[in-house]
Parts: sequence; C-alpha cells; structure tokens
Amino acid sequence: RKEVEQDPGPFNVPEGATVAFNCTYSNSASQSFFWYRQDCRKEPKLLMSVYSSGNEDGRFTAQLNRASQYISLLIRDSKLSDSATYLCVVNLDDKIIFGKGTRLHILP
Amino acid sequence: ETGVTQTPRHLVMGMTNKKSLKCEQHLGHNAMYWYKQSAKKPLELMFVYNFKEQTENNSVPSRFSPECPNSSHLFLHLHTLQPEDSALYLCASSQEPAGMGSSYGYTFGSGTRLTVV
Repeated sequence: RKEVEQDPGPFNVPEGATVAFNCTYSNSASQSFFWYRQDCRKEPKLLMSVYSSGNEDGRFTAQLNRASQYISLLIRDSKLSDSATYLCVVNLDDKIIFGKGTRLHILP
Repeated sequence: ETGVTQTPRHLVMGMTNKKSLKCEQHLGHNAMYWYKQSAKKPLELMFVYNFKEQTENNSVPSRFSPECPNSSHLFLHLHTLQPEDSALYLCASSQEPAGMGSSYGYTFGSGTRLTVV
C-alpha cells in the first residue's frame, strides 16, 4: 500500500456544486495532515491543516478519520477559481509525504 | 520582501555545466527544504535543513549538492546533471523543523524550472 494515496482525477464538476475527495495514508502513527492547492505550473500553497476534530474555512471543510486512516476535503458552492490540483500531505516524525494530487476542474 | 524567493525561475543547462539554485526566506522559519517535482510524480523530498544543519538526504545523487550558509538562505549546487533531472525544483520553509511532528504547514517558493539538455 502506498504511503499516501489520492485519486488523481480529474474531477469535472459544474460550478456551484459540492465536491469531496479523500486521501488515504498507510501509517497509523502519522501525526499531522494538510491539504495544499497547486495551480498549473505554480508552487503548492497551504490550503488548510486538518485537525482531529475537523475544521472549516469558508467553503472548505477538512476532516480526519484516524480509524479508517483517511483525510477528506469538501468544497461547497464550487467556483471556477477552485480549479487546481489538491495535494494531501502527511507528516510522521521527520518524514513529510505528499500525495500525487487530485485534479479538479470546475466547469462553467 | 516577504515569503520564500527562488532564483532563477527558469534554467537551461548542458550536462557538463555547473549551476546553482538559490532560495531565500524572510519568514524567520527554522527549517528549509529542497523538493523535486517531476511530471506525473508526487513531490519528492531531497534535503532537509533544521537550524542550518542538514538532517536528511533522501538518497539524492551527489551531482546535487546543498548548502545552507545561514537560516535564511539555501542553495542547490548542480553539476554534470542528466536529462532525467529536468524538473521543477521547489524550496520550502517551515516554522518548526519537520522532526517535531509540526502542526505548521510549509511555505513554498515559486520554484526553478530546470531543463537539462
């Protein structure tokens, strides 16, 4: 099983819809989790940290399920500007592992 | 100037050339990283510096040589590269060193797009 796994997509979603994607991780001792957003040919930018209790930032909600070893990202009322690749990042001790990313296309 | 700055933005070099990538962070962070991003692959961690000390070398070939003269600057010296080394090289920094199970994320520079011909 890969250390961090994401569905590469692409997810083609109409504007205004809700979209969610997951990221699974293999090591149950993983300590911290993040979602990054990367636009085409640009650097990754931190979208949000993922806390055990779940957290929300505007239209974005991130959740952690330790029992099933996955994190999720939910985007409500999607905008055209949400089109990007979303990278899952898992931190275990001094190891930082990025997923390959999930490509999201918001369609007008 | 704030954030993480990388130069040059683009670099084309021959296999016999020697060049250096530069990264500078103005965030007061304690850890800096070099990542490699190739097409259709996840980001690959190359080197980690915590408080100017190299703490990780992820089996990177010796043709890549990092240097961290102080906590704000990081270099990646390149020599005798191969065409398969063509990629986007990203520098990042974080508040806490990676070994502390950081709850902080990473700030990335814009990257250097390297082409080896």
